[in-house]
Amino acid sequence: RKEVEQDPGPFNVPEGATVAFNCTYSNSASQSFFWYRQDCRKEPKLLMSVYSSGNEDGRFTAQLNRASQYISLLIRDSKLSDSATYLCVVIAYSGAGSYQLTFGKGTKLSVIP
Amino acid sequence: DGGITQSPKYLFRKEGQNVTLSCEQNLNHDAMYWYRQDPGQGLRLIYYSQIVNDFQKGDIAEGYSVSREKKESFPLTVTSAQKNPTAFYLCASTPPGRGSGGYTFGSGTRLTVV
Repeated sequence: RKEVEQDPGPFNVPEGATVAFNCTYSNSASQSFFWYRQDCRKEPKLLMSVYSSGNEDGRFTAQLNRASQYISLLIRDSKLSDSATYLCVVIAYSGAGSYQLTFGKGTKLSVIP
Repeated sequence: DGGITQSPKYLFRKEGQNVTLSCEQNLNHDAMYWYRQDPGQGLRLIYYSQIVNDFQKGDIAEGYSVSREKKESFPLTVTSAQKNPTAFYLCASTPPGRGSGGYTFGSGTRLTVV
């Protein structure tokens, strides 16, 4: 099983739709989780952290399910500008003060007029 | 404003040639990273450095070399030993602490072999 897995998509949704992505991870010792957004031919940018209790930022909601080892990102009322690739990042402590950061391959979202 | 500057934005390399990609940050971050991204693929870690004068191999270090002589700078050399260097290269840094995941990325260098 790969360390961090995402459905590559593409997810093609109409404007205004609600869409959700999952990201599964295999290391049960993983401690921190994040969602990044990457526009075509650009660098990834931090979208939001994922907290144990779940967190919301406007139209975006991130959730963590430790028992099933996945995180999710929900986007409500999709906008054309939401079209991008969404990467999850999972961080696990690897000993001696080091942390292992693992990126998923990303899920591509296309919001259609 | 603080950030990471990568240069050049586009780079063309001839077969058998070494090229160096620049990465400079003024965020006072301790840790710096180099990633490679191929079309439709995720980010793969090449090298990382947590402190000056120290660096570690990532998952795909073969054919690459780095140095970390200054906190602000982490250049990556793509050597002739790297057989398939055409890719998008991203430099990133993180502040000290619990691996917060608060990566700041540079805008990337697109390397093409001609």
